[in-house]
Formats: sequence, structure tokens, C-alpha cells
Amino acid sequence: DGGITQSPKYLFRKEGQNVTLSCEQNLNHDAMYWYRQDPGQGLRLIYYSQIVNDFQKGDIAEGYSVSREKKESFPLTVTSAQKNPTAFYLCASSFERNTGELFFGEGSRLTVL
Amino acid sequence: AQRVTQPEKLLSVFKGAPVELKCNYSYSGSPELFWYVQYSRQRLQLLLRHISRESIKGFTADLNKGETSFHLKKPFAQEEDSAMYYCALKTQGGSEKLVFGKGTKLTVNP
Repeated sequence: DGGITQSPKYLFRKEGQNVTLSCEQNLNHDAMYWYRQDPGQGLRLIYYSQIVNDFQKGDIAEGYSVSREKKESFPLTVTSAQKNPTAFYLCASSFERNTGELFFGEGSRLTVL
Repeated sequence: AQRVTQPEKLLSVFKGAPVELKCNYSYSGSPELFWYVQYSRQRLQLLLRHISRESIKGFTADLNKGETSFHLKKPFAQEEDSAMYYCALKTQGGSEKLVFGKGTKLTVNP
């Protein structure tokens, strides 16, 4: 079954801890993206990668880090430097560079205690 | 800087009534615009894009460059149209990315 898989769906973290959210796709898509979704804020781009071993900062990259060692995988690490990490995180991919048609995962909800 | 504005956080209409979800954009380049939809407990998904000029689920959207708008319209709303709708702008040039508005929650009442 093709698609994008995010894990875990729910995650709790204590302040000061780093946490890594997983995003895997088997759609053979080149580009992958991480967005943060907050009520009333819409989707804000954190990081994106258009090719393996390359990625760019989005609009709210501070306190986050990513890697793109494999085409299928684009994990996001929420570091302790992120001031307000409690949010819903969405991963997406697209077949070609910036076609505008993104395929989204189901999301991961991170709560910092 | 590029920006997408959806002025209505919430929109409520009755079944069978026309619906229009507003979207305005600010972008110095040649815009490409999209509407995404998120139904309850489903993934965010593409609804339509302006370059294809198609009607999806009865929805249409026309790019008006003069008014910098890309409003989403449907002549007769259905209850199953209730969802969160996001307008998005694709930027071009070196750092191409998709910029989303804050979204409008549409509720179609019976």
C-alpha cells in the first residue's frame, strides 16, 4: 500500500529533551516537506528537501533539524531549542520538484509536558 | 514576500446554498495557486489547482490576477463539503515552496 507514513502518531516529551519524528514514503517521490500545523495558524513550512542529501530551511526552521540520507526517509528532530514545540506535525512529499501537488501523511502530535 | 490570506476562519452555510471561500495572495512573481482540503479524520489532500481549470466535486476557482484572488466556489453546498480548506501559493525561483493560508473551516448545515 503506497503512501506516506508518519510515526509516532502521538508523542509526549519532557522539556529539554530532543525528539525525532519519522516520515517514510514509498511513492518514489523526490521532494519531501515538514510542516507544522497550529490552530488558527494554518501550515507553516519547517524544512524541505528536493533531493537526497540536500535540504533547505523553511519559514520556521529554528529549533528543528532534518536529514535526508535516503530518498524514502526525511526524519525531523525537534530540539530543546524549539521554544514552543507542542504542535501537530505534517510530513508531505511530491513527485517532482515543486509541482505544488503534495501528498500528506496522517501527522504526528507532539506534546511537551 | 509571498503571502496567502484567507479572511474567514469559519464559514457556515445551509445545504443547497452557494458557498465562496475567499483567498487573496501577495506575490511578485507569476503565481500558481491551489486549494487543499482536509475532511474530518482524513489526510490533507489537493482539491484543485488553477492551471488545470477543472471542477472537482462541484468546486471551481478562478485566478484573478487583477484582484490577486483565487476564491473557491460551489453553487450548491452539500453536507459532505464540511471540512477545513486551505489556499496555497507555489513560489518560483531558487527556493521553490508551497505557502499556505491559515485555512477556513466550512460547515454545511442540513
